[in-house]
Amino acid sequence: EIVLTQSPATLSLSPGERATLSCRASQSISNYLAWYQQKPGQAPSLLIYDASNRATGIPARFSGSGSGTDFTLTISSLEPEDFAVYYCQQRSNWPLTFGGGTKVEIK
Amino acid sequence: EVQLLESGGGLVQPGGSLRLSCAASGFTFSNYAMGWVRQAPGKGLEWVSGISGSASSTYYADSVKGRFTISRDNSKNTLYLQMNSLRAEDTAVYYCAKDLSVNSWYWFDPWGQGTLVTVSS
Repeated sequence: EIVLTQSPATLSLSPGERATLSCRASQSISNYLAWYQQKPGQAPSLLIYDASNRATGIPARFSGSGSGTDFTLTISSLEPEDFAVYYCQQRSNWPLTFGGGTKVEIK
Repeated sequence: EVQLLESGGGLVQPGGSLRLSCAASGFTFSNYAMGWVRQAPGKGLEWVSGISGSASSTYYADSVKGRFTISRDNSKNTLYLQMNSLRAEDTAVYYCAKDLSVNSWYWFDPWGQGTLVTVSS
């Protein structure tokens, strides 16, 4: 099973600041990585797939990068609605796995 | 507009069974793989099971293999998850989710609102 390790667990930032979230895979997964956002009381929603492709309707301030084992989700300038929990997911190998999540909270 | 509506959750005793349903609309259901993902209270996401559009391929997390069965009825646009031998650790909100692409990428978009399963005596 591929283990995805997200860091940090919590990121405390102010609106307008840049957020950098990390996801590390226990073995190479090429670019088979997605990022999801989950707000309290809501289902997750897809942000990024294939490591760097934005899903439909996702603002350009969200960007993804990386390949192999190291991946990054960057939010260039945090908006109030971006404070949420973010998860990465791999589809390189079965079983599919998710990272433990990074909570982006208001400082 | 794509809509996914889960149902069938509730309180069940350890060792019991439950069948979840996910009614889909707004897309050609048979063209897309589907999946179930769960989230224990206050915890992260855990992928549970996936099924191809034709139902020819099914996949399971090790934690549910042999106890859960995923299926679909493409004539009814409905996805199912039969859960047997339930354990306390199966307590979670269960989400159904549609594959992003007809090519079975297993990126999930969108997700349903979830249904809560509580396993307790």
